[in-house]
Amino acid sequence: GQQVMQIPQYQHVQEGEDFTTYCNSSTTLSNIQWYKQRPGGHPVFLIQLVKSGEVKKQKRLTFQFGEAKKNSSLHITATQTTDVGTYFCAGPRDAGNMLTFGGGTRLMVKP
Amino acid sequence: DAGVTQSPTHLIKTRGQQVTLRCSPKSGHDTVSWYQQALGQGPQFIFQYYEEEERQRGNFPDRFSGHQFPNYSSELNVNALLLGDSALYLCASSPGTRGGGTDTQYFGPGTRLTVL
Repeated sequence: GQQVMQIPQYQHVQEGEDFTTYCNSSTTLSNIQWYKQRPGGHPVFLIQLVKSGEVKKQKRLTFQFGEAKKNSSLHITATQTTDVGTYFCAGPRDAGNMLTFGGGTRLMVKP
Repeated sequence: DAGVTQSPTHLIKTRGQQVTLRCSPKSGHDTVSWYQQALGQGPQFIFQYYEEEERQRGNFPDRFSGHQFPNYSSELNVNALLLGDSALYLCASSPGTRGGGTDTQYFGPGTRLTVL
């Protein structure tokens, strides 16, 4: 079945440093979504990418969808303590509608 | 505009017991999905309800069942609880016009279930 993998599992950065998390799917995805979950919270939708090679920006966050639509990345420029949390990518599973989530990358920011 | 709500917030049960979790979707949404999130892992899809029927199901045993009501609210039932069922149970709603896999999932705060 479809698998969605994320690396790294954990990342400690100094405030002001950049951060990148990578997402890889075993199958081609029709779209990929990114979610953020703060400690003790629930996943909150960040963005959806649909087109091959698509790049979207949200302030300091840059999201990319690979040309083959099997991988994606999230890059945060100049991290802040408010960026702390776990970032998940998720894609539709096989031909169905259900989302398969990656294991997430937990970001910790030292002030 | 109320978001997705879930009840209860926390629940403690013992092995073998049964539990019912409840979810009210975001206003205007008719599709409800349930996810199980074990500590330190990503959410795992349990099933999705649309028009009061189970439309999609993940790799979960029959002990996990659900229901959707005419007002789109939903329940998740788990029978014969096991220690491994301890997790955060998340409900997510979506507009459902194109299916949950394409639509953005709006998650509720979750129910933390502990099985002793």
